[in-house]
Amino acid sequence: DMQMTQSPSSLSASVGDRVTITCRASQSVNSYLNWYQQKPGKAPKLLIYATSSLQSGVPSRFSGSGSGTDFTLTISSLQPEDFAAYFCQQSYSFPLAFGQGTKVEIK
Amino acid sequence: EVQLVESGGGLVQPGGSLRLSCAASGFTFSTYWMSWVRQAPGKGLEWVANIKEDGSEKYYGDSVKGRFTISRDNAKNSLDLQMNSLRAEDTAVYYCAAGGRTFDYWGQGTLVTVSS
Repeated sequence: DMQMTQSPSSLSASVGDRVTITCRASQSVNSYLNWYQQKPGKAPKLLIYATSSLQSGVPSRFSGSGSGTDFTLTISSLQPEDFAAYFCQQSYSFPLAFGQGTKVEIK
Repeated sequence: EVQLVESGGGLVQPGGSLRLSCAASGFTFSTYWMSWVRQAPGKGLEWVANIKEDGSEKYYGDSVKGRFTISRDNAKNSLDLQMNSLRAEDTAVYYCAAGGRTFDYWGQGTLVTVSS
């Protein structure tokens, strides 16, 4: 089965910082890689699908890149509402799999 | 506005059964694959199962295969998850999600606790 590994598991950053989260797949997922944001006590929300396509309504400070096995989620200028957990997910093959998550905390 | 509302969670003993339901509105339910995703307390996300628009195809995660059954009723815009032979490790918030491989919309979740 596909394994998804995110790094770091957590990070501390300040408002206005540029933040980068990486996701590595154990096998190629082509471009079938999605990113979700989850705030405490809330359901996850789709941010980016197919590596780099922004879901409707998601601010343009979020961007995604990569291909094959290595992917990146970037927040260009961290805002107060961005402090949350972020999960990558491969949609290439069954069983579908998520990364373990990255918690973005206030510095 | 898209709404997915889960129900049916609760406390159940190991080996017991529970049936979760999800009521969908605000989108054309019959044109979407639908999924269940769960999250154990303080843990990450785990895909559980999904079902094709017309119910003709179903897929399950390895940890629930043979114990859980996903189904849908397009006339009622509803999605179900029948969970049998429940184990302590099935304790989680269960989310209903629109989409088969990419989860476009999510419900608020329902908590299932498996404990004696």
